Amino acid sequence: DSGVTQTPKHLITATGQRVTLRCSPRSGDLSVYWYQQSLDQGLQFLIQYYNGEERAKGNILERFSAQQFPDLHSELNLSSLELGDSALYFCASSVVGESGELFFGEGSRLTVL
Amino acid sequence: SQQGEEDPQALSIQEGENATMNCSYKTSINNLQWYRQNSGRGLVHLILIRSNEREKHSGRLRVTLDTSKKSSSLLITASRAADTASYFCATPNYGQNFVFGPGTRLSVLP
Repeated sequence: DSGVTQTPKHLITATGQRVTLRCSPRSGDLSVYWYQQSLDQGLQFLIQYYNGEERAKGNILERFSAQQFPDLHSELNLSSLELGDSALYFCASSVVGESGELFFGEGSRLTVL
Repeated sequence: SQQGEEDPQALSIQEGENATMNCSYKTSINNLQWYRQNSGRGLVHLILIRSNEREKHSGRLRVTLDTSKKSSSLLITASRAADTASYFCATPNYGQNFVFGPGTRLSVLP
């Protein structure tokens, strides 16, 4: 158990809909990262937050947004969903930035029909 | 951007054999990490090697880093069926996040 909790584990929705994925980092970890993993794109970095502030942005679509709350949990909002958004979405946390290891949650599997 | 690229893409071996996976990256790094992912599960950190280290061991894992060639290798000795998984290298990207390669899918046959 990594200590990172992601909900929901599975989500099936229709195109055009909006979903919210939630992540609770390990106790004490200030950094939260979101990654998308699909069969054809591998593991793609979306966005990082550090202590409530956006720290880095990757290949995140404009239809997607995220935030980190004062209690350090994070939410990833996906809107106007398309078939191609079907993927595993992982949250990871770390104490600091690139000098430490990432602890991954078990992911949220999103299926868009 | 910096990116690790694992090689081979897939590897199939018998139990008891050694498995070697390689990772190449593009620019200077201060550390490189290896992760493991069982099918459909979250990634698990295996080992971190810093740029001033050439070799590191952890149990049956041995990682090497050659900064002159911008490459790293992960050796799993005496493999077991339970080692079947995908293995990824990760490199820091401008000190702000990690970039993962496409991974090596390892199958260990009993």
